[in-house]
Amino acid sequence: EVQLVESGGGLVQPGGSLRLSCAASGFTVSSTYMNWVRQAPGKGLEWVSVIYSGGNTLYAGSVKGRFTISRDDSKNTLNLQMNSLRTEDTAVYYCARAPGASKWFDPWGQGTLVTVSS
Amino acid sequence: DIQMTQSPSSLSASVGDRVTITCRASQSISSYLNWYHQKPGKAPKLLIYAASGLQSGVPSRFSGSGSGTDFTLTISSLQPEDFATYYCQQSYGIPYTFGQGTKLEIK
Repeated sequence: EVQLVESGGGLVQPGGSLRLSCAASGFTVSSTYMNWVRQAPGKGLEWVSVIYSGGNTLYAGSVKGRFTISRDDSKNTLNLQMNSLRTEDTAVYYCARAPGASKWFDPWGQGTLVTVSS
Repeated sequence: DIQMTQSPSSLSASVGDRVTITCRASQSISSYLNWYHQKPGKAPKLLIYAASGLQSGVPSRFSGSGSGTDFTLTISSLQPEDFATYYCQQSYGIPYTFGQGTKLEIK
């Protein structure tokens, strides 16, 4: 069964850092496109970042220069390093697979909540 | 960025009703349009990919159509488990963008 499980969320002060992880099972993260998508409380969905199978990465403008997506092939895990956090980064963060070279997201993890507040 | 606009933002309907949700892109996105639904406290789930492809395991009462800038999601006969928030997403260009959501509620 293909499954994604996020971890690492929590409460952090503005300007702080946090690292999210997404453990994959049932497939190999390095063989597909992996994404992070976030959802602020009571709001819609916002795409954050993608890492392609070849290792190239892209980011939304709102996080570019502050967030870094990466993967650990030995652990079959996707990561998101978040620096210089702002209150507007408060959201549930989901990891999501884009099967093969597709551009749709399936499946999604259950999400991990990041709260940026003083 | 490509803007995605859904209509309506909310919708009340009854079990057995036929429902249509519309998604419009700010520029042509060919058929690079996907639909998801999300229940409270849960992750989104893929329903339709590439405008009209039915994701494996999704009931056939769901269908998608459209190309270019205008797309529709149709539920032919609403079931109790279909009451959720529905999102469209364009995958034509980075950044991928979502519609604002359509909340489907029980009448």
